[in-house]
Amino acid sequence: QSVLTQPPSVSAAPGQKVTISCSGSSSNIANNYVSWYQQLPGTAPKLLIYDNNRRLSGIPDRFSGSKSGTSATLGITGLQTGDEADYYCGTWDSSLSAGVFGGGTKLTVL
Amino acid sequence: QLQLQESGPGLVKPSETLSLTCSVSGGSISSNDHYWGWIRQPPGNGLEWIGSMHYRGSTYYNPSLKGRVTISVDTSKNQFSLKLTSVTAADTAVYYCARGYYDSSGRPKNFDYWGQGALVTVSS
Repeated sequence: QSVLTQPPSVSAAPGQKVTISCSGSSSNIANNYVSWYQQLPGTAPKLLIYDNNRRLSGIPDRFSGSKSGTSATLGITGLQTGDEADYYCGTWDSSLSAGVFGGGTKLTVL
Repeated sequence: QLQLQESGPGLVKPSETLSLTCSVSGGSISSNDHYWGWIRQPPGNGLEWIGSMHYRGSTYYNPSLKGRVTISVDTSKNQFSLKLTSVTAADTAVYYCARGYYDSSGRPKNFDYWGQGALVTVSS
């Protein structure tokens, strides 16, 4: 069971918007930076968002990140079929003194 | 362009030691700005953070691995390594090496470059 909680799956139609939540606690999300990763089938994860809301160079502005208290959210607008992937949140956990990931959310673009 | 490549045995027997090496090209492992880490992903499951190390020696490990893990850096070869002892079938996974940044407190906070991953199966 992951320290960070994500919904197992989300879906939306092409062109629509979707949000993926990541719920944690005061020992992780609330007091540390959150990152978001995209993992396309059969490939290594790719960093999309770092420091809660900063897009890595080259990442379209359709992707956004936010954080409030013990939760973080990844938003994707203008959904494309190529966005179908697993998405993971990650952060540091100060109590564990270790990095932690969410369980992952599978995005389906219908 | 930074590239990372994992290498090592794809099959390890139960109770033995899993050893992987990550070769870094296009950048120096002796960077003050970065941590070097390992992440694994059991088949069909999510990501698990294993540990991270700065070349100057600061190291963090996942406590759930209960002292079985060691990460080391070889600056002369621009490589870093993972050793996981007393493996069981539960350690079967794709193992990724990655580069990351740290926060103002010196703790790893993300991974921006990843290797392609190496599948390690634990079986007799």
